[in-house]
Amino acid sequence: GAVVSQHPSWVICKSGTSVKIECRSLDFQATTMFWYRQFPKQSLMLMATSNEGSKATYEQGVEKDKFLINHASLTLSTLTVTSAHPEDSSFYICSGIRGLEAGELFFGEGSRLTVL
Amino acid sequence: AQRVTQPEKLLSVFKGAPVELKCNYSYSGSPELFWYVQYSRQRLQLLLRHISRESIKGFTADLNKGETSFHLKKPFAQEEDSAMYYCALGYSSASKIIFGSGTRLSIRP
Repeated sequence: GAVVSQHPSWVICKSGTSVKIECRSLDFQATTMFWYRQFPKQSLMLMATSNEGSKATYEQGVEKDKFLINHASLTLSTLTVTSAHPEDSSFYICSGIRGLEAGELFFGEGSRLTVL
Repeated sequence: AQRVTQPEKLLSVFKGAPVELKCNYSYSGSPELFWYVQYSRQRLQLLLRHISRESIKGFTADLNKGETSFHLKKPFAQEEDSAMYYCALGYSSASKIIFGSGTRLSIRP
């Protein structure tokens, strides 16, 4: 199966700082990557869809200036949480779709963000 | 609006008993439905998708467009089936995939 790796797996930061989370597809080219947010004991909430070389498409209610997504290559997408606040503390998960194969998402292991 | 509903947060059954995890969806177009599973301390992974019509680890799911359902079934539960199960809907040519709230399946010995 395809492998998606996220880094860091856990980050703790002070309120007001910015945090970057990387999502890499290690053995395939991900034409599309999705970023999800998961609150404790809740489901995954789709935040945005990013396609390589173009601007991300954000879901309603997700602040694009707050959550900057860059998909510069077919193997790397980044999520930057700008000026993080405690309410941004969450589990962020990325996933990628391999080529045009519809539907099968390959998930990263997730990144836990704790904002103090 | 597109929506995936999993009415049960927790389902607990005895080993060897049949299992059915419910999933209903709302989408006016042609849906693509999936079941994803997350075992303890592991990442989410695809269990099965409706277009492939296959049985994975003894699980099957049939898309019922009339009832807008995609329930996951297994005739005889095993302890290793204990996990979190998410039903997912892909739309806009799978350019978007959204998830239900998940059902935790617990198999009692």
